[in-house]
Amino acid sequence: SQQGEEDPQALSIQEGENATMNCSYKTSINNLQWYRQNSGRGLVHLILIRSNEREKHSGRLRVTLDTSKKSSSLLITASRAADTASYFCATDARNTNAGKSTFGDGTTLTVKP
Amino acid sequence: DAGVTQSPTHLIKTRGQQVTLRCSPKSGHDTVSWYQQALGQGPQFIFQYYEEEERQRGNFPDRFSGHQFPNYSSELNVNALLLGDSALYLCASSLDPGRINSPLHFGNGTRLTVT
Repeated sequence: SQQGEEDPQALSIQEGENATMNCSYKTSINNLQWYRQNSGRGLVHLILIRSNEREKHSGRLRVTLDTSKKSSSLLITASRAADTASYFCATDARNTNAGKSTFGDGTTLTVKP
Repeated sequence: DAGVTQSPTHLIKTRGQQVTLRCSPKSGHDTVSWYQQALGQGPQFIFQYYEEEERQRGNFPDRFSGHQFPNYSSELNVNALLLGDSALYLCASSLDPGRINSPLHFGNGTRLTVT
């Protein structure tokens, strides 16, 4: 079973709208990462937020982290058709070395032109 | 600057056979982690290699084994294949495991189908 759970499982929006995805996890963490995966291909790292950070921005992406609720959100603003993909959150548990990440089952985002 | 490369891209094997998948890490990276991704699910950690040794392992049976070479490339071996081993196998490279807060760089994976 996976530690992380993304919500919703699927999201469909129009181009230009904002997309929000949520992630919950179960244990204490060193960091939380968000990845994008286009159909059948490898994962692309989007953003990493450390356990002592609450918010992080990268271009049109905004990530928040609430360690008290063990949850995170990913906001994509002004979405584009090219943002259509699956999005995964992953956590590195505290007291483990880097690279052993635990992934959720992802949110499938469809952006309609 | 070459990213993570994996070979082959697709593979079809018969139940009971053995398979070897290969991975070359991103330039400058010395750590390789392997993940299994079943259809419709997130990746699951198999194991990690650093300094030619297995450093961390997930909940996978001993049928799954690996190797890392002096040039940091890695192999994943699966013996006695089961139908349930059908999945996308992803290789990810990173800096040494002690550097927490280092992101993973993934290859495009090897799609293994067991019939």
